[in-house]
Amino acid sequence: NAGVTQTPKFRVLKTGQSMTLLCAQDMNHEYMYWYRQDPGMGLRLIHYSVGEGTTAKGEVPDGYNVSRLKKQNFLLGLESAAPSQTSVYFCASSRDGIQYFGPGTRLTVL
Amino acid sequence: AQSVTQPDIHITVSEGASLELRCNYSYGATPYLFWYVQSPGQGLQLLLKYFSGDTLVQGIKGFEAEFKRSQSSFNLRKPSVHWSDAAEYFCAVGGGGATNKLIFGTGTLLAVQP
Repeated sequence: NAGVTQTPKFRVLKTGQSMTLLCAQDMNHEYMYWYRQDPGMGLRLIHYSVGEGTTAKGEVPDGYNVSRLKKQNFLLGLESAAPSQTSVYFCASSRDGIQYFGPGTRLTVL
Repeated sequence: AQSVTQPDIHITVSEGASLELRCNYSYGATPYLFWYVQSPGQGLQLLLKYFSGDTLVQGIKGFEAEFKRSQSSFNLRKPSVHWSDAAEYFCAVGGGGATNKLIFGTGTLLAVQP
């Protein structure tokens, strides 16, 4: 039981490049979330999903897109990366009100 | 507006000393309350949670927290801190329901002196 895994762990992009972050969970959870963590700002919700095929905007959705084609996977896309998107990205899945977090992806946009 | 406030950005305690980390929340409905811990370069690990019932909840690693509805607080305590407790601690509030969304505080960074 791996829990929540994230791929990749680190990535450096140039401004304007695109990329996709992958989150996978093996706990059969319905709910999944993408957060970004910046110094002094805690975790801010980007997008979330309450089930396969559904997505919704969180607190800071601009510049990001998501897809939940399979229940176990939640993808976060950056179509045209900007330096302001330099951050640590965390994925979580949830059941019974508790969120379980992945190890994070550290993204740097130059 | 729904929010979580952790007034202490950084706290330093001596090993063996007691610890209290403060958390205040604003939430319109009955809250679900959480404390998570994040070690450097790691994800967040759940320390403890409060959903209902006994207002003093016990968690992992010897931590406890007390829910005080009248003060809108959910402070985290530990009677004797160990060097391995050095980490960042996040308080969070949510309502469960259809989305299970959480609102996080900005975190308190704990340093432990030998």
